[in-house]
Amino acid sequence: GAGVSQTPSNKVTEKGKYVELRCDPISGHTALYWYRQSLGQGPEFLIYFQGTGAADDSGLPNDRFFAVRPEGSVSTLKIQRTERGDSAVYLCASRMGSNTGELFFGEGSRLTVL
Amino acid sequence: AQSVSQHNHHVILSEAASLELGCNYSYGGTVNLFWYVQYPGQHLQLLLKYFSGDPLVKGIKGFEAEFIKSKFSFNLRKPSVQWSDTAEYFCAASNFGNEKLTFGTGTRLTIIP
Repeated sequence: GAGVSQTPSNKVTEKGKYVELRCDPISGHTALYWYRQSLGQGPEFLIYFQGTGAADDSGLPNDRFFAVRPEGSVSTLKIQRTERGDSAVYLCASRMGSNTGELFFGEGSRLTVL
Repeated sequence: AQSVSQHNHHVILSEAASLELGCNYSYGGTVNLFWYVQYPGQHLQLLLKYFSGDPLVKGIKGFEAEFIKSKFSFNLRKPSVQWSDTAEYFCAASNFGNEKLTFGTGTRLTIIP
């Protein structure tokens, strides 16, 4: 497709379960970002990839959160032992190589932890 | 710590009114500034951006923003709003050469027909 695609759009899980969220960026975009948006808040930076490597993972809240981008395209955000506080909309964005370029966002994956 | 502040949480205006949404940032060094908009049911999209040069930046749909370095501000303006401007508006900033974009908490704008 033409835009950033995220799946699933909605995920409901139970506390303690493992969750994977997928992001398919715009073709040719080398940079990929994950953000988390809680109710009433702005997007909060989690991690940034340039190609296959995580260039900045300083926003990951703890070691339950992990993200990969093995082939430099699709990325998966993995959350282990989910907690109720992990409930949020997880946003993915991609960009062309230059850091002056526009970030293109997906519609997000809404995660609800019961 | 680097931060972006938006003090207006919810703004309600009538059509044709003028708009100004406040944004202040706390960053050292050279800063890149952005306004993103999220229309109901849609994804975030870029409204305008400032990297350097003319501090008055024009964006899409008649929006503009002015970078005032002495005030650490990047307020968003529009002379005459329309009902279709109803959306959530986010100010964001990053340091030049740093990929990490920090967002404010957002301002919900409601335009009454």
